[in-house]
Amino acid sequence: DIQMTQSPSTLSASVGDRVTITCRASQSISSWLAWYQQKPGKAPKLLIYKASSLESGVPSRFSGSGSGTEFTLTISSLQPDDFATYYCQQYNSYSGGFTFGPGTKVDIK
Amino acid sequence: EVQLVESGGGVVRPGGSLRLSCAASGFTFDDYGMSWVRQAPGKGLEWVSGINWNGGSTGYADSVKGRFTISRDNAKNSLYLQMNSLRAEDTALYHCARASYGDYDSWFDPWGQGTLVTVSS
Repeated sequence: DIQMTQSPSTLSASVGDRVTITCRASQSISSWLAWYQQKPGKAPKLLIYKASSLESGVPSRFSGSGSGTEFTLTISSLQPDDFATYYCQQYNSYSGGFTFGPGTKVDIK
Repeated sequence: EVQLVESGGGVVRPGGSLRLSCAASGFTFDDYGMSWVRQAPGKGLEWVSGINWNGGSTGYADSVKGRFTISRDNAKNSLYLQMNSLRAEDTALYHCARASYGDYDSWFDPWGQGTLVTVSS
Protein backbone atom coordinates (compact mmCIF):
# COMPACT_ATOMS: atom_id res chain seq x y z
CA ASP A 1 0.00 0.00 0.00
CA ILE A 2 1.06 3.59 -0.63
CA GLN A 3 1.98 5.56 2.49
CA MET A 4 1.51 9.32 2.68
CA THR A 5 3.50 11.68 4.88
CA GLN A 6 2.99 15.39 5.51
CA SER A 7 5.28 18.05 6.87
CA PRO A 8 5.17 19.87 9.09
CA SER A 9 2.64 18.26 11.43
CA THR A 10 1.92 21.65 12.99
CA LEU A 11 2.57 25.09 11.58
CA SER A 12 2.25 28.35 13.47
CA ALA A 13 1.71 31.35 11.23
CA SER A 14 0.33 34.86 11.17
CA VAL A 15 -2.34 36.44 8.99
CA GLY A 16 -0.75 37.46 5.72
CA ASP A 17 1.99 34.82 5.83
CA ARG A 18 2.77 32.58 2.89
CA VAL A 19 2.31 28.98 4.02
CA THR A 20 3.55 25.80 2.35
CA ILE A 21 2.65 22.24 3.32
CA THR A 22 4.43 19.26 1.80
CA CYS A 23 2.95 15.83 1.12
CA ARG A 24 5.05 12.86 0.03
CA ALA A 25 3.93 9.48 -1.33
CA SER A 26 5.91 6.28 -0.79
CA GLN A 27 5.70 5.59 -4.53
CA SER A 28 4.61 7.50 -7.59
CA ILE A 29 0.96 8.46 -7.76
CA SER A 30 1.27 10.62 -10.88
CA SER A 31 -1.08 13.54 -10.17
CA TRP A 32 -3.72 11.53 -8.30
CA LEU A 33 -3.66 13.77 -5.25
CA ALA A 34 -6.25 15.90 -3.48
CA TRP A 35 -6.04 18.41 -0.63
CA TYR A 36 -8.75 18.98 2.00
CA GLN A 37 -9.30 21.54 4.74
CA GLN A 38 -11.00 20.47 7.96
CA LYS A 39 -12.17 22.65 10.80
CA PRO A 40 -13.12 21.28 14.25
CA GLY A 41 -16.50 19.56 14.23
CA LYS A 42 -16.87 19.92 10.47
CA ALA A 43 -16.58 17.60 7.49
CA PRO A 44 -13.49 17.91 5.29
CA LYS A 45 -13.76 20.37 2.40
CA LEU A 46 -12.11 19.74 -0.96
CA LEU A 47 -9.59 22.41 -1.97
CA ILE A 48 -7.45 20.91 -4.74
CA TYR A 49 -7.78 17.84 -6.97
CA LYS A 50 -5.48 16.31 -9.58
CA ALA A 51 -2.60 17.86 -7.60
CA SER A 52 -3.11 21.38 -8.95
CA SER A 53 -6.73 21.94 -9.99
CA LEU A 54 -8.55 24.42 -7.77
CA GLU A 55 -12.03 23.32 -6.72
CA SER A 56 -14.79 25.73 -7.73
CA GLY A 57 -15.46 28.33 -5.06
CA VAL A 58 -12.12 27.90 -3.29
CA PRO A 59 -10.18 31.18 -2.98
CA SER A 60 -7.33 31.64 -5.41
CA ARG A 61 -4.84 32.10 -2.55
CA PHE A 62 -4.82 28.29 -2.38
CA SER A 63 -2.69 26.46 -4.92
CA GLY A 64 -1.30 22.98 -5.37
CA SER A 65 1.69 21.64 -7.25
CA GLY A 66 3.77 18.53 -7.74
CA SER A 67 3.60 15.12 -9.33
CA GLY A 68 5.03 11.68 -8.77
CA THR A 69 5.91 11.51 -5.07
CA GLU A 70 6.20 15.10 -3.86
CA PHE A 71 3.40 17.64 -3.64
CA THR A 72 2.82 21.02 -2.03
CA LEU A 73 -0.17 23.04 -0.92
CA THR A 74 0.50 26.77 -0.75
CA ILE A 75 -1.61 29.48 0.82
CA SER A 76 -0.27 32.72 -0.63
CA SER A 77 -1.56 35.04 2.12
CA LEU A 78 -3.02 33.34 5.17
CA GLN A 79 -6.45 34.60 6.22
CA PRO A 80 -8.24 34.17 9.58
CA ASP A 81 -10.59 31.61 8.01
CA ASP A 82 -7.64 29.41 6.97
CA PHE A 83 -6.67 28.24 10.46
CA ALA A 84 -7.54 24.55 10.19
CA THR A 85 -6.09 21.12 9.59
CA TYR A 86 -5.08 20.18 6.04
CA TYR A 87 -4.95 16.64 4.65
CA CYS A 88 -3.59 15.27 1.42
CA GLN A 89 -5.10 12.13 -0.12
CA GLN A 90 -3.89 9.85 -2.88
CA TYR A 91 -6.52 8.16 -5.02
CA ASN A 92 -4.48 5.91 -7.27
CA SER A 93 -6.80 2.94 -7.73
CA TYR A 94 -3.89 0.58 -8.37
CA SER A 95 -2.54 1.24 -4.89
CA GLY A 96 -5.15 -0.92 -3.18
CA GLY A 97 -6.57 1.90 -1.14
CA PHE A 98 -7.02 5.64 -0.95
CA THR A 99 -4.63 6.88 1.69
CA PHE A 100 -4.72 10.16 3.55
CA GLY A 101 -1.75 11.94 4.98
CA PRO A 102 -1.66 12.41 8.78
CA GLY A 103 -2.62 16.07 8.53
CA THR A 104 -1.02 19.47 9.10
CA LYS A 105 -2.56 21.76 11.67
CA VAL A 106 -2.19 25.45 10.88
CA ASP A 107 -2.61 27.57 13.99
CA ILE A 108 -2.20 31.16 15.02
CA LYS A 109 1.32 32.30 15.89
CA GLU B 1 -28.09 21.74 -2.95
CA VAL B 2 -26.00 18.59 -2.88
CA GLN B 3 -26.42 16.93 0.49
CA LEU B 4 -25.32 13.73 2.20
CA VAL B 5 -26.83 12.78 5.54
CA GLU B 6 -25.58 9.79 7.51
CA SER B 7 -27.47 7.85 10.14
CA GLY B 8 -27.34 4.58 12.03
CA GLY B 9 -24.44 5.19 14.37
CA GLY B 10 -24.53 4.32 18.05
CA VAL B 11 -22.92 2.37 20.85
CA VAL B 12 -22.30 -1.33 20.22
CA ARG B 13 -20.41 -4.02 22.10
CA PRO B 14 -17.27 -5.61 20.64
CA GLY B 15 -18.27 -8.34 18.23
CA GLY B 16 -21.57 -6.65 17.48
CA SER B 17 -23.01 -5.32 14.24
CA LEU B 18 -24.31 -2.01 12.97
CA ARG B 19 -25.67 -0.75 9.64
CA LEU B 20 -24.95 2.80 8.57
CA SER B 21 -26.99 4.66 5.98
CA CYS B 22 -26.29 7.73 3.88
CA ALA B 23 -29.17 9.59 2.23
CA ALA B 24 -28.18 11.57 -0.85
CA SER B 25 -30.04 14.48 -2.40
CA GLY B 26 -29.50 17.31 -4.84
CA PHE B 27 -27.74 15.26 -7.52
CA THR B 28 -28.26 12.21 -9.73
CA PHE B 29 -27.12 9.56 -7.27
CA ASP B 30 -26.54 6.76 -9.77
CA ASP B 31 -24.08 8.91 -11.76
CA TYR B 32 -21.49 8.73 -8.99
CA GLY B 33 -19.29 6.39 -7.05
CA MET B 34 -19.43 6.72 -3.28
CA SER B 35 -17.16 5.99 -0.33
CA TRP B 36 -17.14 5.74 3.43
CA VAL B 37 -14.32 7.52 5.27
CA ARG B 38 -13.87 7.41 9.04
CA GLN B 39 -12.12 9.53 11.62
CA ALA B 40 -11.32 8.19 15.07
CA PRO B 41 -11.65 10.78 17.86
CA GLY B 42 -8.79 13.26 17.63
CA LYS B 43 -7.19 11.34 14.75
CA GLY B 44 -6.84 11.63 10.98
CA LEU B 45 -8.92 10.38 8.08
CA GLU B 46 -9.07 6.76 6.94
CA TRP B 47 -10.77 5.56 3.77
CA VAL B 48 -12.93 2.55 4.64
CA SER B 49 -14.76 1.40 1.52
CA GLY B 50 -15.96 2.50 -1.91
CA ILE B 51 -18.55 1.44 -4.47
CA ASN B 52 -19.08 2.34 -8.10
CA TRP B 53 -22.25 3.78 -9.58
CA ASN B 54 -24.14 0.49 -10.02
CA GLY B 55 -22.67 -1.50 -7.15
CA GLY B 56 -20.74 -3.75 -9.50
CA SER B 57 -17.35 -2.78 -8.14
CA THR B 58 -16.41 -2.36 -4.49
CA GLY B 59 -13.21 -1.89 -2.50
CA TYR B 60 -12.23 -2.09 1.15
CA ALA B 61 -9.39 -1.04 3.40
CA ASP B 62 -7.41 -3.98 4.73
CA SER B 63 -8.51 -3.04 8.26
CA VAL B 64 -12.18 -3.82 7.49
CA LYS B 65 -11.98 -6.40 4.70
CA GLY B 66 -14.15 -9.41 5.48
CA ARG B 67 -16.05 -7.58 8.24
CA PHE B 68 -17.68 -4.62 6.47
CA THR B 69 -19.90 -4.64 3.37
CA ILE B 70 -20.75 -1.58 1.31
CA SER B 71 -23.90 -1.43 -0.81
CA ARG B 72 -26.22 1.06 -2.43
CA ASP B 73 -29.86 1.35 -3.48
CA ASN B 74 -30.06 3.78 -6.37
CA ALA B 75 -33.88 3.75 -6.30
CA LYS B 76 -33.70 5.12 -2.76
CA ASN B 77 -30.67 7.40 -3.33
CA SER B 78 -28.99 5.65 -0.44
CA LEU B 79 -25.60 4.24 0.48
CA TYR B 80 -25.06 1.66 3.22
CA LEU B 81 -22.27 0.16 5.29
CA GLN B 82 -22.93 -3.11 7.07
CA MET B 83 -20.40 -3.47 9.87
CA ASN B 84 -19.95 -6.87 11.54
CA SER B 85 -17.50 -8.19 14.13
CA LEU B 86 -16.91 -4.67 15.39
CA ARG B 87 -13.77 -3.89 17.36
CA ALA B 88 -12.80 -1.07 19.69
CA GLU B 89 -10.54 0.32 16.96
CA ASP B 90 -13.59 0.81 14.70
CA THR B 91 -14.76 3.60 17.00
CA ALA B 92 -14.95 6.68 14.80
CA LEU B 93 -17.08 9.26 13.05
CA TYR B 94 -18.12 7.70 9.74
CA HIS B 95 -18.57 10.06 6.78
CA CYS B 96 -20.04 9.20 3.43
CA ALA B 97 -18.51 11.06 0.51
CA ARG B 98 -19.23 11.37 -3.19
CA ALA B 99 -16.66 10.62 -5.88
CA SER B 100 -16.21 12.86 -8.89
CA TYR B 101 -17.60 10.35 -11.41
CA GLY B 102 -19.09 6.86 -11.69
CA ASP B 103 -16.29 4.95 -10.03
CA TYR B 104 -14.91 5.53 -6.53
CA ASP B 105 -11.22 6.09 -7.30
CA SER B 106 -11.29 9.86 -7.16
CA TRP B 107 -11.27 12.80 -4.84
CA PHE B 108 -14.25 13.16 -2.53
CA ASP B 109 -16.69 16.04 -2.68
CA PRO B 110 -18.93 16.64 -0.88
CA TRP B 111 -18.81 14.87 2.47
CA GLY B 112 -21.59 14.28 4.95
CA GLN B 113 -21.27 15.45 8.54
CA GLY B 114 -20.87 11.88 9.76
CA THR B 115 -22.44 9.44 12.19
CA LEU B 116 -20.60 8.35 15.32
CA VAL B 117 -19.92 4.68 16.00
CA THR B 118 -18.65 3.73 19.45
CA VAL B 119 -17.55 0.16 20.12
CA SER B 120 -17.30 -0.42 23.84
CA SER B 121 -18.18 -3.01 26.43
